[in-house]
Amino acid sequence: EAQVTQNPRYLITVTGKKLTVTCSQNMNHEYMSWYRQDPGLGLRQIYYSMNVEVTDKGDVPEGYKVSRKEKRNFPLILESPSPNQTSLYFCASSLAPGQTYEQYFGPGTRLTVT
Amino acid sequence: AQSVTQLGSHVSVSEGALVLLRCNYSSSVPPYLFWYVQYPNQGLQLLLKYTSAATLVKGINGFEAEFKKSETSFHLTKPSAHMSDAAEYFCAWNSGGYQKVTFGTGTKLQVIP
Repeated sequence: EAQVTQNPRYLITVTGKKLTVTCSQNMNHEYMSWYRQDPGLGLRQIYYSMNVEVTDKGDVPEGYKVSRKEKRNFPLILESPSPNQTSLYFCASSLAPGQTYEQYFGPGTRLTVT
Repeated sequence: AQSVTQLGSHVSVSEGALVLLRCNYSSSVPPYLFWYVQYPNQGLQLLLKYTSAATLVKGINGFEAEFKKSETSFHLTKPSAHMSDAAEYFCAWNSGGYQKVTFGTGTKLQVIP
């Protein structure tokens, strides 16, 4: 089954404790992206990747890191989480960079930072 | 900044009534527009997309949207609401080139029995 998986689905952590949210897709997609969803703000892009070893900042990259060492994986790293990073996070992928390609979303990771 | 605007963060309709969710875009060039749906506790999935081939776009689950350049709008409609349509709907805009996608703030649709 074609899908985007994220782990963990739920995470509660404390301020300053490094964490990684994994994202993997099995569709051989070139493009991958991370979003955060907050009430009233919709989805905001954190980082995206056009292909292996090619990443770029989205609208809200502060406090996050990403890497793309393999085509299928695109982990999101919070090196020193803070309470304002409490949010619902989505990973997405699409076939290739291009205007008409739809994005496929993972099920989301709900992160709480205390 | 170029973006999409969704009017109404919450919309309530009766079962069987018309669904109309509004999306306006601001762009100086023809955009690529999408509607996504998010069911409770799930990720987003594509409803339909506009890619300039036709102004009236039909999607899944009986939804459709019409691209109106003169009004810079891409409103989502469904003739008859079903209980299963209760979800949050997002309009999204692609700037082209490097797949920078911008999402609207979302509209939660409530369907009243």
